[in-house]
Amino acid sequence: NAGVTQTPKFQVLKTGQSMTLQCAQDMNHEYMSWYRQDPGMGLRLIHYSVGAGITDQGEVPNGYNVSRSTTEDFPLRLLSAAPSQTSVYFCASSYAGTNEQFFGPGTRLTVL
Amino acid sequence: AQSVTQLGSHVSVSEGALVLLRCNYSSSVPPYLFWYVQYPNQGLQLLLKYTTGATLVKGINGFEAEFKKSETSFHLTKPSAHMSDAAEYFCAVSVPGTGRRALTFGSGTRLQVQP
Repeated sequence: NAGVTQTPKFQVLKTGQSMTLQCAQDMNHEYMSWYRQDPGMGLRLIHYSVGAGITDQGEVPNGYNVSRSTTEDFPLRLLSAAPSQTSVYFCASSYAGTNEQFFGPGTRLTVL
Repeated sequence: AQSVTQLGSHVSVSEGALVLLRCNYSSSVPPYLFWYVQYPNQGLQLLLKYTTGATLVKGINGFEAEFKKSETSFHLTKPSAHMSDAAEYFCAVSVPGTGRRALTFGSGTRLQVQP
C-alpha cells in the first residue's frame, strides 16, 4: 500500500493564482482531512470529509474549497492564492474509531 | 470544544538524559490522546496513542506517556535521549461522540539533543 500520497511536493504561486493540491489514499479509509502547518501554531484543520459527497469546515476554511467524489481522493483547491496561504499542507486519512490520522508527506506552498 | 497545550516550544537535553515533553488537554469527556513526531522535512508519524484501558502507554523508539485524568495531562517521556530523537513533537486530542473526524493539535515542541 502507498498509504496517503500528495502532489505536488513543492509549489510556488503568484498572488491571485489558483491551484489544486491532490491527495489520495489506498487504505479504504472513510475519513479524510486537510491541515496546514505554520511555525509555532501546530497543525490547524482546514476541511474534513466523513465520506464521499460529505465535507465540513475546520478551524481555518477561508480561501479553500474541497470536494470528495470518491473514497480515495480529496483535493484541496485554492481559488485565489494569497501570501497568507504560504504554508505546509498535510492531507490525512482515518478510519472509524479513535480518529488516528495517517498523514501524507506534505506539500510546501509559497505564495509570492 | 477540545484544546491542547504544549508547555515549552523548545526543549534541549543532553544525550542520555531524561526527555520530558508536557501536554495538557481540555475536553468535556474522556478523550483519545496522541503523540506524533515530525523529523525535518518529513510528514508526521504516530509515536503512541491512548484510547481506553491502561493509562501508561508505550510507543515506538522507547517513548511512553501516561494519561492522568485528574491532571488533564498526557506527558511524553523517554528515559535516555538519543541524537536521533531530535525532532518536533506534537500532542493531539480527539473527542469521541462529536462527529468531528479529525484531531486538534498542540503547537508543538522542538526537541534538541546535545552531544
